[in-house]
Amino acid sequence: NAGVTQTPKFRVLKTGQSMTLLCAQDMNHEYMYWYRQDPGMGLRLIHYSVGEGTTAKGEVPDGYNVSRLKKQNFLLGLESAAPSQTSVYFCASSPHRPGTGELFFGEGSRLTVL
Amino acid sequence: SQQGEEDPQALSIQEGENATMNCSYKTSINNLQWYRQNSGRGLVHLILIRSNEREKHSGRLRVTLDTSKKSSSLLITASRAADTASYFCATDRGRGGSYIPTFGRGTSLIVHP
Repeated sequence: NAGVTQTPKFRVLKTGQSMTLLCAQDMNHEYMYWYRQDPGMGLRLIHYSVGEGTTAKGEVPDGYNVSRLKKQNFLLGLESAAPSQTSVYFCASSPHRPGTGELFFGEGSRLTVL
Repeated sequence: SQQGEEDPQALSIQEGENATMNCSYKTSINNLQWYRQNSGRGLVHLILIRSNEREKHSGRLRVTLDTSKKSSSLLITASRAADTASYFCATDRGRGGSYIPTFGRGTSLIVHP
């Protein structure tokens, strides 16, 4: 099994450009999450989804949008990238209700905004 | 805001020694998890301990939980160079009391061969 796959793995954007990060999981998990990881800040939750067609805001949602049109995919969009969004983005999925069991993480997507 | 905070931020030891990392949190929890992250990789789940458990083992890992002190510790015994990684605790209480897993800033462990 591939588990959780994130694409692209690396991307460089100019300020104001838009892009979409794709997270795909093949484990039929109900719950999916997008985190960002910055040096010294740990992981911070951007948005999450408790099922197909549902999304909710996390701790740092501003500047991002998400969609979960299919159960296996969770998309993170940046409409107008800013240098403050330079970060490593991690997607995670879980079969467990939030906070009740382990998360399965992808390998990360490193985004640089110039 | 971070619910769990790991201590120390960095730890450097020799192979064969034990490594202890601590996690403190602010509000009551139902469970706490520990994850490992190798450089440039995603996080990998190590162990989950529930609020009614005081200690849990998995191989060379030993996790304790003291709900009265709102703290947990992760002990890695007989460490190996391959244990070099960052270790994160995650609680099931986020800001505003949400049940979304909330991670600390992590402890960076270096094990010298």
